[in-house]
Amino acid sequence: DTAVSQTPKYLVTQMGNDKSIKCEQNLGHDTMYWYKQDSKKFLKIMFSYNNKELIINETVPNRFSPKSPDKAHLNLHINSLELGDSAVYFCASSPGGGVKNIQYFGAGTRLSVL
Amino acid sequence: GNSVTQMEGPVTLSEEAFLTINCTYTATGYPSLFWYVQYPGEGLQLLLKATKADDKGSNKGFEATYRKETTSFHLEKGSVQVSDSAVYFCALSDQGGNQFYFGTGTSLTVIP
Repeated sequence: DTAVSQTPKYLVTQMGNDKSIKCEQNLGHDTMYWYKQDSKKFLKIMFSYNNKELIINETVPNRFSPKSPDKAHLNLHINSLELGDSAVYFCASSPGGGVKNIQYFGAGTRLSVL
Repeated sequence: GNSVTQMEGPVTLSEEAFLTINCTYTATGYPSLFWYVQYPGEGLQLLLKATKADDKGSNKGFEATYRKETTSFHLEKGSVQVSDSAVYFCALSDQGGNQFYFGTGTSLTVIP
């Protein structure tokens, strides 16, 4: 069983569309994250949820909205997609903070906005 | 604030060469330090970690020692293989919190 799974793996869409990426973890972790990785491999944290509550919300356009229906799921909805949103988006989870903060990553969703 | 700085790549080495990827950090308190590896087309996965000063993390022939006096956590491997070609990320978790900081990543290519 995949520990952190995200769908879809690839997403190609037109500018202006709205799309969602889903993430699920079966590790029993309390904390989940969304990261954006650009073409230079730079990783930027976008959001973090702990037990369904938002705890980190970095400077991200409000077109991006995370939703956590339960602590095993953290979905990312993107409105009015722009060319600059093209990137690989990674979901991750961790069992806790500090010394327990080992991040387990999904395989990524490659988003291409045309 | 907390941050991680790692050497820029790309790094290209011949098989069996010695590898060092430098990483330094800025943090308050006692952070935990990590190296993650990202193979082509995959997500990041934990390579090794150290949770206190002078700890040495090791895995798959890679090692890194948590040096508080120099605020460093350099990654080393004595003899790299082609299969080690990947992007390596140094990372920091702040003491007690949920904040996680990644370096900019260093791309390593090992040629036969």
